[in-house]
Amino acid sequence: AQTVTQSQPEMSVQEAETVTLSCTYDTSESNYYLFWYKQPPSRQMILVIRQEAYKQQNATENRFSVNFQKAAKSFSLKISDSQLGDTAMYFCAFMKRTGTASKLTFGTGTRLQVTL
Amino acid sequence: GAVVSQHPSWVICKSGTSVKIECRSLDFQATTMFWYRQFPKQSLMLMATSNEGSKATYEQGVEKDKFLINHASLTLSTLTVTSAHPEDSSFYICSADRFQETQYFGPGTRLLVL
Repeated sequence: AQTVTQSQPEMSVQEAETVTLSCTYDTSESNYYLFWYKQPPSRQMILVIRQEAYKQQNATENRFSVNFQKAAKSFSLKISDSQLGDTAMYFCAFMKRTGTASKLTFGTGTRLQVTL
Repeated sequence: GAVVSQHPSWVICKSGTSVKIECRSLDFQATTMFWYRQFPKQSLMLMATSNEGSKATYEQGVEKDKFLINHASLTLSTLTVTSAHPEDSSFYICSADRFQETQYFGPGTRLLVL
């Protein structure tokens, strides 16, 4: 079974600054996907970024980038130029790559507050 | 692309009644959809996996007779909470699997059972 750990329950960052959210996972699988999802106060789960484990290059989506360390089983999210709209709960998630639809294993989340 | 809708967004019902929640993938086909429940300030809890044309697979501890799931087409899955009671009040979210590599989520349904 897989586990995902987010050790930072809450974080705060000032607008325009950079913040990094931590995520570690445990698995015996070699082929998998990792995700960051954002859940703002509306509670809509929004995909932020996706990383394929077989790719060494770190995924990037505009202001969002990840630091994927496969050997260390670490998958942190960096948010650059933070904006008020980034205020949300952020969930790290793991999914096995099997060729069929697979379950997501979520971490407990990190609540990010962006302040003026 | 990859939009998932959920209806209704809010529902209030009396104890003992049944409530149906629809989950639709609007711009892609989804052989598999998932149903989650989320308690306040907690992570998502997977309830069941819904496969088009076959029976749903329920997670341990989820009552399949209480939470009926039907995946009638490649774009629609429904969750029916039967004989709802106040303890069933929660936030229910569906997701649709795209290309067996990413789940996209609906906006969720807030259920309040009085």
